[in-house]
Amino acid sequence: GAGVSQSPSNKVTEKGKDVELRCDPISGHTALYWYRQSLGQGLEFLIYFQGNSAPDKSGLPSDRFSAERTGGSVSTLTIQRIQQEDSAVYLCASSRDRGTFGEETQYFGPGTRLLVL
Amino acid sequence: GQQLNQSPQSMFIQEGEDVSMNCTSSSIFNTWLWYKQDPGEGPVLLIALYKAGELTSNGRLTAQFGITRKDSFLNISASIPSDVGIYFCAGPGVQGAQKLVFGQGTRLTINP
Repeated sequence: GAGVSQSPSNKVTEKGKDVELRCDPISGHTALYWYRQSLGQGLEFLIYFQGNSAPDKSGLPSDRFSAERTGGSVSTLTIQRIQQEDSAVYLCASSRDRGTFGEETQYFGPGTRLLVL
Repeated sequence: GQQLNQSPQSMFIQEGEDVSMNCTSSSIFNTWLWYKQDPGEGPVLLIALYKAGELTSNGRLTAQFGITRKDSFLNISASIPSDVGIYFCAGPGVQGAQKLVFGQGTRLTINP
């Protein structure tokens, strides 16, 4: 079946502008995650949505970052007044509620490569 | 906070060689995950380990969950060109299993 999709695949923007990144999770997955991957680094957790519960925003680096998930499916990550240090790959993942042994396997999308000039 | 340290950071090997990489932490993890990331793609889960001492294989890949719960290794036998990529270890953060903590990655390059 279809995996996690993200758009755009690449985005070049200028300092001070706002950007929106979109994630379409796997159908039926109730959990959705956003991560950031800086050049040559591992993934950094940003935010987590689970069903209708309030999102866990503890990983967002500043109040310029926000995310929403409409109808329990598609999610949008918004970065306001973008800065050069925001340049990174933004990855989205989704998972079922709880998997075997209580662990949730997270399936990742291809990411959005964001470059701030 | 929790950190996972991977070594080596990069490897350059000949096709057919075996590969070994490891991941260590100063704190205990109850689950160890190994992911592979191809260029331009998101990470894909290779192996998941849930019990200390557990040894699990997936084709030519073998991974073990260290007895101390503070380390794990991943071995690849008889490497082939498609093994090229970045390998990440990951585990659930203390603040919740959903918030995965990732190592910095081991970049594998294979000379044909």
